[in-house]
Amino acid sequence: DGGITQSPKYLFRKEGQNVTLSCEQNLNHDAMYWYRQDPGQGLRLIYYSQIVNDFQKGDIAEGYSVSREKKESFPLTVTSAQKNPTAFYLCASGQTGELFFGEGSRLTVL
Amino acid sequence: SQQGEEDPQALSIQEGENATMNCSYKTSINNLQWYRQNSGRGLVHLILIRSNEREKHSGRLRVTLDTSKKSSSLLITASRAADTASYFCATDRTTDSWGKLQFGAGTQVVVTP
Repeated sequence: DGGITQSPKYLFRKEGQNVTLSCEQNLNHDAMYWYRQDPGQGLRLIYYSQIVNDFQKGDIAEGYSVSREKKESFPLTVTSAQKNPTAFYLCASGQTGELFFGEGSRLTVL
Repeated sequence: SQQGEEDPQALSIQEGENATMNCSYKTSINNLQWYRQNSGRGLVHLILIRSNEREKHSGRLRVTLDTSKKSSSLLITASRAADTASYFCATDRTTDSWGKLQFGAGTQVVVTP
C-alpha cells in the first residue's frame, strides 16, 4: 500500500541523548516535511525538503537536524540541544498542495 | 506563529446534527486546507480550497472561503459518531514553497450517539 511510514511509534530518551526518527514514503513525492505537535496545539514546521540533497529550516529548527539522501527517506534527529523535545512528531509528504501524513512518533524525554 | 485560528476550540453535538467550525487567518493565502486528526493519529486531508474559490463540497463536507474577511468555515452535515476528531485548518501562504502549511490549534469535535 502507498503511504508514509514513521518509526518508532513510541520512543523514550534520557536527557543528553540524540534520537533519530525515521520517515519513509513510497508515494514518489518530491517534498517531505517534519512537524511537531504539542498537546492541544496545532502543528509547527521543523524542517522541509523539496528535493533530494536539499532541505530548509522551518519555524522551529533549533535543536533538530535532517538529511535527504534518498527521495523516499527523510529522517529527523532530535539532538541534546533541543530544550523541550517531548512531543508528537509528524512526517508528511506532498506533490500538489495537499499533504499526506504518517501516523506519528511520540517522543518522551525521561 | 500560527496563521490560522479555529473557533470554537471544542464542539459537542449529537449524531445527525450539523457541525460548523470557523478559521481565521492573518495574511494573504494561495489556498486553505482542512485536515482531520483522530486521537493519537496522523492528520488526514479533507479538502483544499484555493484563494479564487468561494465554496467547495466533498460528500458531507462544505467549505467556504471569504478572502476579504480572511476566514473560512467547515460544515459537516448529518454528523456521525465516527466524525469525532480534531479538525485543523491550514493555510499555504507561498507560491514557491507549497506545503509549508501554517496550522491552527484545531477544533475538537465530539459526536455522541
